Amino acid sequence: GENVEQHPSTLSVQEGDSAVIKCTYSDSASNYFPWYKQELGKGPQLIIDIRSNVGEKKDQRIAVTLNKTAKHFSLHITETQPEDSAVYFCAASKGGSYIPTFGRGTSLIVHP
Amino acid sequence: AAGVIQSPRHLIKEKRETATLKCYPIPRHDTVYWYQQGPGQDPQFLISFYEKMQSDKGSIPDRFSAQQFSDYHSELNMSSLELGDSALYFCAPLGRHNQPQHFGDGTRLSIL
Repeated sequence: GENVEQHPSTLSVQEGDSAVIKCTYSDSASNYFPWYKQELGKGPQLIIDIRSNVGEKKDQRIAVTLNKTAKHFSLHITETQPEDSAVYFCAASKGGSYIPTFGRGTSLIVHP
Repeated sequence: AAGVIQSPRHLIKEKRETATLKCYPIPRHDTVYWYQQGPGQDPQFLISFYEKMQSDKGSIPDRFSAQQFSDYHSELNMSSLELGDSALYFCAPLGRHNQPQHFGDGTRLSIL
């Protein structure tokens, strides 16, 4: 089955800095890569996703890149704000009815 | 706005007791996923339903069962509870690209 590795497990940045979270996946058939943000006491919420026919996608301060050959994808957050502090999960799926496999999560702490 | 209501938010049980967790997608949705998240862990897929029929099964113990009802709310039934069942339990309806998009805020189950 699919195996998703996520790094780092903890990331501490100053407000205004950029943050990068990296994930690798093992199943070359995976074609859908969502990123979830989980705030304390809440459930994970989809913040951005990318499909394998796209190399990069941007939504305001958040961007995701995908390297299908190397089987890795990354989340980039620019101009970080304290409210960006949360646990971020990457996931990989073959899409359709396939269940996504999650990475172990990255705890992002943005210091004001 | 779309969302998910889960009840109860917190549940404390003793070993060998039973528990029932409920999930109400808003608006109603024909597909629902259940996940378990241990402390500091990534969400682990338990089971999913489509049109009131089980559609996929993950790492769900035989002590657990689930149902989706005619009004599309779903319940996760857990019996012979063990200490290791202490976790957050989330449900999520189908979203973008037929994948879970937004999870409910979960039920925190604590086994004493």
